Amino acid sequence: EPEVTQTPSHQVTQMGQEVILRCVPISNHLYFYWYRQILGQKVEFLVSFYNNEISEKSEIFDDQFSVERPDGSNFTLKIRSTKLEDSAMYFCASSEYGGGNTEAFFGQGTRLTVV
Amino acid sequence: RKEVEQDPGPFNVPEGATVAFNCTYSNSASQSFFWYRQDCRKEPKLLMSVYSSGNEDGRFTAQLNRASQYISLLIRDSKLSDSATYLCVVNKDNDMRFGAGTRLTVKP
Repeated sequence: EPEVTQTPSHQVTQMGQEVILRCVPISNHLYFYWYRQILGQKVEFLVSFYNNEISEKSEIFDDQFSVERPDGSNFTLKIRSTKLEDSAMYFCASSEYGGGNTEAFFGQGTRLTVV
Repeated sequence: RKEVEQDPGPFNVPEGATVAFNCTYSNSASQSFFWYRQDCRKEPKLLMSVYSSGNEDGRFTAQLNRASQYISLLIRDSKLSDSATYLCVVNKDNDMRFGAGTRLTVKP
């Protein structure tokens, strides 16, 4: 069964450092998403991406965040200068169609710990 | 009012019980609705989409009331394997908003 894969599974970084979280969406999917979940809290939408541009973003997705699809397979989330409060599980997801009319498949997540 | 609000839980039920989860949402322009399931420290997985006419999948029944902005999930004959956190998800365009989740523990 096709799946969304994320690397690394766990990343520890020092406050102020840049991190790049990587995702390989399902190959025939066209819409890509990043979510985060702070430990013990709800899943929060960050951004959706389609046709090489951001289609929606939340209030959390400020100038410290950026996304990119550098090649035909990878989808990355960059945090420029990490803060302690960026510590969370980051989930990538993809869907075949947009508009929310199709299932979004989630990767297993990258646990980011900022120290 | 929270964007997506769920019963706080947790729910602890015996095997075979029927359990109902409720969810309300604030954005009347929301387009699509889902229940996801999340096991501890795992990714969310789609349980079922929710349609205005109501829909059923085995032991699971979902209902949507757009006028009341209310979504429900009913689990009949609960199994130990149903133990998880159930997430109500509301989508507009490509922006999916999650409720905080309701934790269910099914006990023998």
